[in-house]
Amino acid sequence: DGGITQSPKYLFRKEGQNVTLSCEQNLNHDAMYWYRQDPGQGLRLIYYSQIVNDFQKGDIAEGYSVSREKKESFPLTVTSAQKNPTAFYLCASSVTSGNPFEQYFGPGTRLTVT
Amino acid sequence: GNSVTQMEGPVTLSEEAFLTINCTYTATGYPSLFWYVQYPGEGLQLLLKATKADDKGSNKGFEATYRKETTSFHLEKGSVQVSDSAVYFCALSDRETNAGKSTFGDGTTLTVKP
Repeated sequence: DGGITQSPKYLFRKEGQNVTLSCEQNLNHDAMYWYRQDPGQGLRLIYYSQIVNDFQKGDIAEGYSVSREKKESFPLTVTSAQKNPTAFYLCASSVTSGNPFEQYFGPGTRLTVT
Repeated sequence: GNSVTQMEGPVTLSEEAFLTINCTYTATGYPSLFWYVQYPGEGLQLLLKATKADDKGSNKGFEATYRKETTSFHLEKGSVQVSDSAVYFCALSDRETNAGKSTFGDGTTLTVKP
């Protein structure tokens, strides 16, 4: 079955450490996205990529970095510069041609930094 | 720019009650409209969609009609169940102005009591 996988489901880190969240898709989608969700809040876009080797900042990119070396993979690094990294992180993908651009989401990674 | 405004929650209903969650949007192009559902601790799943004016999306007893004249896409269900308890997000995507990105509302939490 096609879909998006995120690993791990739960991640714990000490303050000051960088951490990388994995996102892989086998839907053959060109576009991939990273969102942050805080308790009781909506989604905030961190970064997105519409093609391999290219990505753009979203609304809250500070303290985060990404790479898109393969179509299937879009890892997110939460750096020590991110002031409040504890959150639920969601990865998604979509097509970039045709209509509509519904997004397919992974199960999420809950990051806790202490 | 594009925006989505959802009815504020939380919403608490008794089983078999009628559900309406309001959603209005602002878009400069001709968007497609979506409702996503998020169960506790999971990613978002597409619930239903509509791509043009007067289209009705439906799935699992939920319905929403794309109303261009009122820029609305309200979610309805005639008889809710305890298993419908979740967070519901209204969203739009606009190929012409957003290059496939989606704009999400803040989410509405629904709790259905037996």
